[in-house]
Amino acid sequence: AQTVTQSQPEMSVQEAETVTLSCTYDTSESDYYLFWYKQPPSRQMILVIRQEAYKQQNATENRFSVNFQKAAKSFSLKISDSQLGDAAMYFCAYKVQGAQKLVFGQGTRLTINP
Amino acid sequence: NAGVTQTPKFRILKIGQSMTLQCAQDMNHNYMYWYRQDPGMGLKLIYYSVGAGITDKGEVPNGYNVSRSTTEDFPLRLELAAPSQTSVYFCASTPRLAGGTYEQYFGPGTRLTVT
Repeated sequence: AQTVTQSQPEMSVQEAETVTLSCTYDTSESDYYLFWYKQPPSRQMILVIRQEAYKQQNATENRFSVNFQKAAKSFSLKISDSQLGDAAMYFCAYKVQGAQKLVFGQGTRLTINP
Repeated sequence: NAGVTQTPKFRILKIGQSMTLQCAQDMNHNYMYWYRQDPGMGLKLIYYSVGAGITDKGEVPNGYNVSRSTTEDFPLRLELAAPSQTSVYFCASTPRLAGGTYEQYFGPGTRLTVT
C-alpha cells in the first residue's frame, strides 16, 4: 500500500527566511505524481507545486521549490523568503499514474514569525 | 466561474439522522471526489466518480452513499449519522487530461458534527 509520511507536525520560521518541509513516501510504482497542497485557516486546499516522477528536474514555482529524490522516495518543499501569508497546514500527496486516489500525508503546520 | 461549491458550510446532526452534502462544479470536469479530513490528519478518499452514472468506493466508504446523475453534481449522502462521521468533508474535481498530470480543485469544505 502506498503511504505518505510527514515527520514534522509543526515548523516555524522567521519572516523572510527559508524553511524546508519534509515528505517521504512508500511505493513500488515507477510512474506517479507528487504534490504539495497548502491549507490556510480558511480550509481551502490550494495546490502549491507538483512533480512528475519521470522528470529528474526539480519543480519550481516562484518562491516554492522541491527536492525530489526518487531513489530515497523523498519529496521536500522549500519555501524561500517566507511571508506571513505562507502560514498554513501543508500536505504532501501522492498519486499513481492512471489511478484516481490521492494519498495524503498527515500535514505540517507552518508558522511564520514576524 | 464559481469552481467547486459545497453546501452547507456547517451542520450539526444528531445520531441516527440523515443528510446530503451537496457538491457542484461548473468547470465541466469529468472526475469528482469526496474526501473527509479528521482533526490533525490528511484527507482520505470516501468515493469518487469518473463521469455521470459512474461511481466507485475510495478508502473509507462505509456509512456513505453517492450518486452522479449529471456532470456538474456529486452529492454525498449520510444515512444514519454516527459520531465517527464528525469531520470536515471536501469535494474536489479534475478534468480528464491526457498524461495524467492534473490538479484537483477543491471546494471550501463542510464541517459536520454528529452528537
